[in-house]
Amino acid sequence: GAVVSQHPSRVICKSGTSVKIECRSLDFQATTMFWYRQFPKKSLMLMATSNEGSKATYEQGVEKDKFLINHASLTLSTLTVTSAHPEDSSFYICSARDLQGLAFFGQGTRLTVV
Amino acid sequence: QKEVEQNSGPLSVPEGAIASLNCTYSDRGSQSFFWYRQYSGKSPELIMSIYSNGDKEDGRFTAQLNKASQYVSLLIRDSQPSDSATYLCAVVVYNFNKFYFGSGTKLNVKP
Repeated sequence: GAVVSQHPSRVICKSGTSVKIECRSLDFQATTMFWYRQFPKKSLMLMATSNEGSKATYEQGVEKDKFLINHASLTLSTLTVTSAHPEDSSFYICSARDLQGLAFFGQGTRLTVV
Repeated sequence: QKEVEQNSGPLSVPEGAIASLNCTYSDRGSQSFFWYRQYSGKSPELIMSIYSNGDKEDGRFTAQLNKASQYVSLLIRDSQPSDSATYLCAVVVYNFNKFYFGSGTKLNVKP
């Protein structure tokens, strides 16, 4: 399958700081990328859909000013968690959809806010 | 999000048996259906995709889709302990560019 690289895999930050997570499709162009959040033993929760060159579409209840998404190119989307707090600690996963409509996942980012 | 429903399990089967995983979805506009496998602490990996009614087989895996009943399933033949994982059903609604996941079914294959 296609390769999606997500970086960093783990990050620990202080409360009040911002963290940027990158999601890259390495061998295909992704017009659409998705950002998910997953709590332990829970399902993937869709946070937002990121379309190249346009504003992200956020799911209900997700604060767009807190979770900034940028999809500046066909191979890169970024999620910035602004003014992070301990409740933002979670596993964040991106996925990118190829031209066939298949979605491939990045490795995930374990964010811990202390 | 309740667009996709799965029994959380755990589903326990003996090694060599057939594991049957089920998923229902609510949006009749759903067009593409996927099964992912997720090991603990890892990201999901794609197992199967299915787009039209009927069965699709790939090795030990068979996906079944029934759009009239809004039902998709995954059969795993000759189950192995390495198949023990959480299986996620995913549904795409292209009109709204949405890609939703069920809560996942935890499968335990006992040696």
